[in-house]
Amino acid sequence: RKEVEQDPGPFNVPEGATVAFNCTYSNSASQSFFWYRQDCRKEPKLLMSVYSSGNEDGRFTAQLNRASQYISLLIRDSKLSDSATYLCVVFYPGAGSYQLTFGKGTKLSVIP
Amino acid sequence: GAVVSQHPSWVICKSGTSVKIECRSLDFQATTMFWYRQFPKQSLMLMATSNEGSKATYEQGVEKDKFLINHASLTLSTLTVTSAHPEDSSFYICSAQYPGGKKGAGGYEQYFGPGTRLTVT
Repeated sequence: RKEVEQDPGPFNVPEGATVAFNCTYSNSASQSFFWYRQDCRKEPKLLMSVYSSGNEDGRFTAQLNRASQYISLLIRDSKLSDSATYLCVVFYPGAGSYQLTFGKGTKLSVIP
Repeated sequence: GAVVSQHPSWVICKSGTSVKIECRSLDFQATTMFWYRQFPKQSLMLMATSNEGSKATYEQGVEKDKFLINHASLTLSTLTVTSAHPEDSSFYICSAQYPGGKKGAGGYEQYFGPGTRLTVT
């Protein structure tokens, strides 16, 4: 069963706030994990890959807990431009394919 | 780098006609491309996996005779919606698997085209 679940949202936060998104996945054989952001009526854009040791890119920090099958994304000092839907994405190997499974996304609105 | 283009960006067609959508990887070669569909306020749903030089692999419930996929080169995949109907109206997005993924990511990063908004009247 392939499933990626995210916080339902929406999250409405003031500028400068710190916001965290959570994601769980059901297949323990998952190999790779990503966060994408999708603006309204646009395509998803890769935000970060998520590594086992956790990784940080500026104001964004991603964490992976394989034992709990849990992924998180932390955004510090939120900007208005961070408003978007954040998609948790998991790669499941199988049968020679390289398919990504998307969560339904969590909508973030950063308010002035 | 890792730019994917898609054409057209939007199209309106009459019921019963066919529409072809192109997906190109502009600065890398992609042996594998993917076609997704997204309805309003829904998540992306994978339709099919397109492999260069071989037949596409379709997801369950996706009619292969209706959604024709051709991956003729390492930089181009096309999706043809045949005999389109209003229920086919959706946002169609392609992605290309990027072979130069960051260390530890297994090279499975995908980059998306800007999408094609199809409206069938």
